[in-house]
Amino acid sequence: GENVEQHPSTLSVQEGDSAVIKCTYSDSASNYFPWYKQELGKGPQLIIDIRSNVGEKKDQRIAVTLNKTAKHFSLHITETQPEDSAVYFCAASINFGNEKLTFGTGTRLTIIP
Amino acid sequence: DTAVSQTPKYLVTQMGNDKSIKCEQNLGHDTMYWYKQDSKKFLKIMFSYNNKELIINETVPNRFSPKSPDKAHLNLHINSLELGDSAVYFCASSRGPTSSYEQYFGPGTRLTVT
Repeated sequence: GENVEQHPSTLSVQEGDSAVIKCTYSDSASNYFPWYKQELGKGPQLIIDIRSNVGEKKDQRIAVTLNKTAKHFSLHITETQPEDSAVYFCAASINFGNEKLTFGTGTRLTIIP
Repeated sequence: DTAVSQTPKYLVTQMGNDKSIKCEQNLGHDTMYWYKQDSKKFLKIMFSYNNKELIINETVPNRFSPKSPDKAHLNLHINSLELGDSAVYFCASSRGPTSSYEQYFGPGTRLTVT
């Protein structure tokens, strides 16, 4: 089955700087890669996703890149703000039928004011 | 309006007891899920139902039994609770069973087994 590795497990950045979180996946058939943000005491929430036919996707301060050859994808947050502090999860799946999402191990991002 | 709600939010119980967690979604979604998040924040799917039919059943002890009385509800019953069952359990829902549909998570139920 699919295995998703995520790094780093913790990340602290100064407010205004950029943050990058990286994930690798094992199943070359995976073609859908979402990112979820989990704030303290809440459930995860989708913030951005990318499909295998696209190399990069951007939504305001958040961007995701995908390298299918290397089987890795990354989340980039620019101009970080205190409200970006949360745990971020990458995930991968095969977008077909009843295939499940396999989540990475999470990155706790702390924005230092 | 809460999209995905779970009750209770906190559950403290002793080993050997039987307990249930309830989940309801008012989004009109067809698919619902149960996830377990352990103390290291690792998030793993347990079950998924689509239109009340079980479609994903991970390697979960048979002490865990989901039940979907209708599309809007997915409950989780746990028999003979063990210390290792302590975790946060999240219910989620999506428009359909295909993984590319956004999953909407509930606020979680923190289960502590003593």
